[in-house]
Amino acid sequence: GQNIDQPTEMTATEGAIVQINCTYQTSGFNGLFWYQQHAGEAPTFLSYNVLDGLEEKGRFSSFLSRSKGYSYLLLKELQMKDSASYLCALFAGGGNKLTFGTGTQLKVEL
Amino acid sequence: NAGVTQTPKFRVLKTGQSMTLLCAQDMNHEYMYWYRQDPGMGLRLIHYSVGEGTTAKGEVPDGYNVSRLKKQNFLLGLESAAPSQTSVYFCASKKEGQSSYEQYFGPGTRLTVT
Repeated sequence: GQNIDQPTEMTATEGAIVQINCTYQTSGFNGLFWYQQHAGEAPTFLSYNVLDGLEEKGRFSSFLSRSKGYSYLLLKELQMKDSASYLCALFAGGGNKLTFGTGTQLKVEL
Repeated sequence: NAGVTQTPKFRVLKTGQSMTLLCAQDMNHEYMYWYRQDPGMGLRLIHYSVGEGTTAKGEVPDGYNVSRLKKQNFLLGLESAAPSQTSVYFCASKKEGQSSYEQYFGPGTRLTVT
């Protein structure tokens, strides 16, 4: 099976940088996703890591270490609209299934 | 392109009633998925399909059935609804192939069973 852990809630200040961590235990996976989900809406894709290292996309970066069972999502220059839930998910198996963590609710304050 | 659409958006059922949720995608994707999302539980996979005419069980399949008679549609059925099935249901689809990894989600169906 797979087990994914994320902090439940985080609070950060507008304009700051925040790092959301995700740790996992799994017997094998193809890659790790990060999705953003605003309240009452569908998840939307942010990033996908297959190899160890950092993937950068604008204000968002995601890091993966397979040997440590660890990933993080880095959000820079925080904006109020970044207040949302951030979901870490492992991509594996026949059917290309996703297994999600419970999500981290980020609140951005002035 | 409408992407992934779900019908209905909201529904209230009484215990024991049945209903079908419809997911439709116009992207010619092979793979389709049904998830449920409950507070504090994240998204959990109910059933999925790797192509027209195929279905498979996910993490929480009990109490649900699915059908994929047409490539663009994936139906989720509740034969006898229970209060434990109160949830938000999301459908997703994905293109076949190793380079196509992103799942595209529909807007969700909010179901309440009383």
